[in-house]
Amino acid sequence: AQTVTQSQPEMSVQEAETVTLSCTYDTSENNYYLFWYKQPPSRQMILVIRQEAYKQQNATENRFSVNFQKAAKSFSLKISDSQLGDTAMYFCAFMKQYTNAGKSTFGDGTTLTVKP
Amino acid sequence: DTEVTQTPKHLVMGMTNKKSLKCEQHMGHRAMYWYKQKAKKPPELMFVYSYEKLSINESVPSRFSPECPNSSLLNLHLHALQPEDSALYLCASNPATGGSGEKLFFGSGTQLSVL
Repeated sequence: AQTVTQSQPEMSVQEAETVTLSCTYDTSENNYYLFWYKQPPSRQMILVIRQEAYKQQNATENRFSVNFQKAAKSFSLKISDSQLGDTAMYFCAFMKQYTNAGKSTFGDGTTLTVKP
Repeated sequence: DTEVTQTPKHLVMGMTNKKSLKCEQHMGHRAMYWYKQKAKKPPELMFVYSYEKLSINESVPSRFSPECPNSSLLNLHLHALQPEDSALYLCASNPATGGSGEKLFFGSGTQLSVL
């Protein structure tokens, strides 16, 4: 079974600054996918970024980037130039290859507050 | 249309009531999901429908009854719920084209309170 650990229940950052959210996971699988989902107060979870385990290059999406360390089983999310709209709960998720996406394993989440 | 729409947004019901939650998507996705989420916790998978057939039931009590009338619509029928069933109920979908690593598209959820 897979486990996903987010060790920071809450974090805060000043607007325009950079913040990094940590995520570690445990698996015996070699092929898998990792995701960061954002859930703002509006409650709708939205995919922030996705990483394929077989790719060494770290994924980036505008102000969001990851530091994927496969050997260390670490998948951190960096948010640059933080904006007030980034205030949300962030979930790290793991999905084995060739499994149903709904069976993804989620971490417990990190609540991020961006302060003006 | 890239949305998953859930109705109602809020629902209050007594333990003897029968109610239904509705989820709709028009993205042509063939997999649809129900999740239960408690405050400040990750979502917990309840049911998976793949091509309108129930493929996964995560040992959910029978007071929750899912239904998938067509490829765009997913219902969750509720009956004789308990106060501990109060939670945010999220619907999600994805293409289920056989590719792997597909992201989930979530609705905004129904906040359910059982009195």
